[in-house]
Amino acid sequence: ETGVTQTPRHLVMGMTNKKSLKCEQHLGHNAMYWYKQSAKKPLELMFVYSLEERVENNSVPSRFSPECPNSSHLFLHLHTLQPEDSALYLCASSQDNRGNYGYTFGSGTRLTVV
Amino acid sequence: GQQLNQSPQSMFIQEGEDVSMNCTSSSIFNTWLWYKQDPGEGPVLLIALYKAGELTSNGRLTAQFGITRKDSFLNISASIPSDVGIYFCAGSPASGTYKYIFGTGTRLKVLA
Repeated sequence: ETGVTQTPRHLVMGMTNKKSLKCEQHLGHNAMYWYKQSAKKPLELMFVYSLEERVENNSVPSRFSPECPNSSHLFLHLHTLQPEDSALYLCASSQDNRGNYGYTFGSGTRLTVV
Repeated sequence: GQQLNQSPQSMFIQEGEDVSMNCTSSSIFNTWLWYKQDPGEGPVLLIALYKAGELTSNGRLTAQFGITRKDSFLNISASIPSDVGIYFCAGSPASGTYKYIFGTGTRLKVLA
């Protein structure tokens, strides 16, 4: 596979559930990102990892917990979410954490919290 | 915080027409990016701009980095139905942060 792959594509979870989103990039990039996309709002940066080290945590609630075991994989662990957390969660990667050549995005995980 | 104003928010056009959209900021940017997002997919990079005044084309798409470094424009010539989607601008502020700020998007609908 090439590019950035996200799984699952769709996820419905209850407020007491624990689930994880997975992202994998096959581009040899060194930085990975989690973004939240809500209707009629700009993309919101959540987390940035550069060479597996978290370099940004953009005031995200602790019910979202990222994990980057290596430069190709990124996870977002979810627990006790709220209905307002329903959104499209996008993973992206870039050659470095300056993103000078732009980001490559995955197709996203459509999350619905019920 | 910094914001990008993207306009128009949405537009309906006839197939074959040219389309223009823009992004403006109150602060100076070092890089401008233009993305397109199809329904159910992530944004795909269309054009990247790195220098004030730069004009770059990608097929029927042309984007410009404004001379003031506070704005950018995207033009689509001779639109076709597959141009439908949401177009986002993103800018990297000159303040040194690597974070990109995204616009709210322009939703384009092309009438055949």
